Amino acid sequence: GQNIDQPTEMTATEGAIVQINCTYQTSGFNGLFWYQQHAGEAPTFLSYNVLDGLEEKGRFSSFLSRSKGYSYLLLKELQMKDSASYLCAVVNRDYQLIWGAGTKLIIKP
Amino acid sequence: DGGITQSPKYLFRKEGQNVTLSCEQNLNHDAMYWYRQDPGQGLRLIYYSQIVNDFQKGDIAEGYSVSREKKESFPLTVTSAQKNPTAFYLCASSIHLEGNEQFFGPGTRLTVL
Repeated sequence: GQNIDQPTEMTATEGAIVQINCTYQTSGFNGLFWYQQHAGEAPTFLSYNVLDGLEEKGRFSSFLSRSKGYSYLLLKELQMKDSASYLCAVVNRDYQLIWGAGTKLIIKP
Repeated sequence: DGGITQSPKYLFRKEGQNVTLSCEQNLNHDAMYWYRQDPGQGLRLIYYSQIVNDFQKGDIAEGYSVSREKKESFPLTVTSAQKNPTAFYLCASSIHLEGNEQFFGPGTRLTVL
């Protein structure tokens, strides 16, 4: 089967840095997405990785290692508004998006 | 303003009734998708469509039906055959099917009483 593993919940402090990990086992690989989803709202796009390495975009960075089936999302200078769920999704060989269950990030003052 | 809309935001229905959720996009995207999201779970694909008049079952299509008569519209009908229909339903679209970024509508929360 295909599966995506992410921690269920993480807690961090405002102003700090947090790393959310995602490991995957899928039938083929054609890219990995990270989305942010606030409670009761639609997911919004954060990043896309298809090659190994780090992609930086402001306070958010995403890393991919295809050989290890592993990605992480790094959030710096955390703000209260970053409290949300973060969804990892992998594009498999059939170009289907396989979604992880999401990581709920709680930011404390 | 380009985007994808879903209506209504909240929907209540009695058990045994069919209900149709609307999804409209003006992004000129070819591909459209319907997902279901339950608490603590990831998005699960119900149906998807690559092009007008064509659609395919996703992982949990039983009890649901769709149509794609226009490029802009992809309505989802939740039938009485769906055993546990109470959930958050998300519609999405992408330029093409092949792994492009998906843009999501605001979602419809369906509660069956």
